[in-house]
Amino acid sequence: DAGVIQSPRHEVTEMGQEVTLRCKPISGHDYLFWYRQTMMRGLELLIYFNNNVPIDDSGMPEDRFSAKMPNASFSTLKIQPSEPRDSAVYFCASSLGLGPVVTGKFFGPGTRLTVL
Amino acid sequence: LAKTTQPISMDSYEGQEVNITCSHNNIATNDYITWYQQFPSQGPRFIIQGYKTKVTNEVASLFIPADRKSSTLSLPRVSLSDTAVYYCLVVSGGYQKVTFGTGTKLQVIP
Repeated sequence: DAGVIQSPRHEVTEMGQEVTLRCKPISGHDYLFWYRQTMMRGLELLIYFNNNVPIDDSGMPEDRFSAKMPNASFSTLKIQPSEPRDSAVYFCASSLGLGPVVTGKFFGPGTRLTVL
Repeated sequence: LAKTTQPISMDSYEGQEVNITCSHNNIATNDYITWYQQFPSQGPRFIIQGYKTKVTNEVASLFIPADRKSSTLSLPRVSLSDTAVYYCLVVSGGYQKVTFGTGTKLQVIP
């Protein structure tokens, strides 16, 4: 299996521009998670989906952030408009089931976003 | 939501056993203790998970005392490739809003 795939791996944009991050979860996984990692705040859960339906988006920082999962094999995280404080590494993860006694989430390689 | 406390950093020589302790004083009955490993420029990777006593896999062992207020991740005979950040999490089935925190940065020295 190719694992969780994220694109792009690096993104540099200017303040005010729209940014779209993409994720392909592991085939057959029914949960998908978006995380953001910064030095100051560590790794934070932004939103997660179950069977393509958003379950908890309380971690999304503000209305500029939105996430969609149109099908079981694709999800996007969009920031519009982007701001310098959005600069971070964004990880997508997927898992099969939600019980604690699982092999855990599988994380993608991340997208390093820099907003100038 | 159980809060965890772990050392910010640790150093170890190659070939030694490394023990990283995590405190979780307000762990709930349904909570499990989970550890992740993160290398630079990569996403976290699941290492091990346990509820009580001892759990061992091909990578590590997890020791959990009877009161479950702390846990210890044990890495046998570390190598340079074990240099990474290790996160301790307390999770319960169905609840996923967990912040990883800053973790423990392990530096293995040749």
